[in-house]
Amino acid sequence: DIQMTQSPSSLSASVGDRITITCRASQSISNHLNWFQQKPGKAPELLIYTVSTLQSGVPSRFSGSGSGTEFTLTISSLQLEDFGTYFCQQSHTAPHTFGQGTKVETK
Amino acid sequence: QVQLQQSGPGLVKPSQTLSLTCAISGDSVSTKSASWNWIRQSPSRGFEWLGKAYYRSKWYIEYAPSVKSRMTLKPDTSKNQLSLQLDSVTDEDTAVYYCVRLIGDGVLDIWGQGTLVTVSS
Repeated sequence: DIQMTQSPSSLSASVGDRITITCRASQSISNHLNWFQQKPGKAPELLIYTVSTLQSGVPSRFSGSGSGTEFTLTISSLQLEDFGTYFCQQSHTAPHTFGQGTKVETK
Repeated sequence: QVQLQQSGPGLVKPSQTLSLTCAISGDSVSTKSASWNWIRQSPSRGFEWLGKAYYRSKWYIEYAPSVKSRMTLKPDTSKNQLSLQLDSVTDEDTAVYYCVRLIGDGVLDIWGQGTLVTVSS
């Protein structure tokens, strides 16, 4: 199985901050990389698919980039509703594996 | 809009069968443009894909190797739903179970609300 490794595992930030989360794949996954946001007690929600395409309704402060084995999720100006846990997921090779998550907390 | 409504017990005794249902609204279980997946999440194992069902002129059902011998997925076109049965559960099956739609190039775009299933006597 392809291993997905996120860093950092957690971060503290303030409203208005720019934050970046990195996701690395154990082998090339081309552009088959998706990002999810999860709030406590809730199901994950799709944010970005195929590296950089925003899901309908997702604010433009979210952006994704990368290719091959290294990818990033950036939030340009963190808002209160953005606190939660973010997961990357590869959809290149079955089984479609997830990273371990990055918890974004308020500073 | 598409919604997935999960139902089923939250507590199952060891060695018994876990049964969950995913009722689909706004789409069809027999659509040829999606598959219907079960994924579980636990603190110790993270996300684990369990299986999927999809219709492409006939039904295809696939299971993860780790659960293949004891898992059954059954699509029900009359009720537009997908059911999951997992036999002989142990405490390692304790997790939040999600029903999820997959479209396009592997995009998990719609998730059920999740069901916390605890295996305990």
